[in-house]
Amino acid sequence: DAGVIQSPRHEVTEMGQEVTLRCKPISGHNSLFWYRQTMMRGLELLIYFNNNVPIDDSGMPEDRFSAKMPNASFSTLKIQPSEPRDSAVYFCASSSGTNYNEQFFGPGTRLTVL
Amino acid sequence: GIQVEQSPPDLILQEGANSTLRCNFSDSVNNLQWFHQNPWGQLINLFYIPSGTKQNGRLSATTVATERYSLLYISSSQTTDSGVYFCAVLNTGNQFYFGTGTSLTVIP
Repeated sequence: DAGVIQSPRHEVTEMGQEVTLRCKPISGHNSLFWYRQTMMRGLELLIYFNNNVPIDDSGMPEDRFSAKMPNASFSTLKIQPSEPRDSAVYFCASSSGTNYNEQFFGPGTRLTVL
Repeated sequence: GIQVEQSPPDLILQEGANSTLRCNFSDSVNNLQWFHQNPWGQLINLFYIPSGTKQNGRLSATTVATERYSLLYISSSQTTDSGVYFCAVLNTGNQFYFGTGTSLTVIP
């Protein structure tokens, strides 16, 4: 299996621009997670999907952030408009079953907002 | 929310040495995982261990859920073990938290 795939690996954009991060979970996994990692706040869970349905989005920082999972093999995390404080590494993870079972992480997308 | 504290925060080892990393949590948990984040940023799943003991090569982990801690043992450390080790827990309220991490440097 190819593992969790994320794209792009690096993104540099200017403040105010829309940013879309993409994730392909491991085939057969039905739970998907988006995380953000910064030096100040460490690793934070943003949103959790199970069977393509958002279960817990309490970690989404504000309305500028949105996430979708249109099918079992694809998810997006969108930031519109982006701000410099959104600069971070964004990880996607997937697991089988429900309820935060053993998670496997993608390589991450390093986002820099200028 | 639950507090997840890891110790020590930083650790420097000579290659070949053994070490124990600790994860304390402030409330009951339904599951616990250990991860290694390598110097390139990749998060690698080490153990899924809500209770009991598991071993994988030079690494082993023990979780004593009733006493609210987990330990990660690294034996015969190698330079490739360098990086940050995180524990992450799921509390009974279905909230998932990462610990603060232990930064390990293994020197040859």
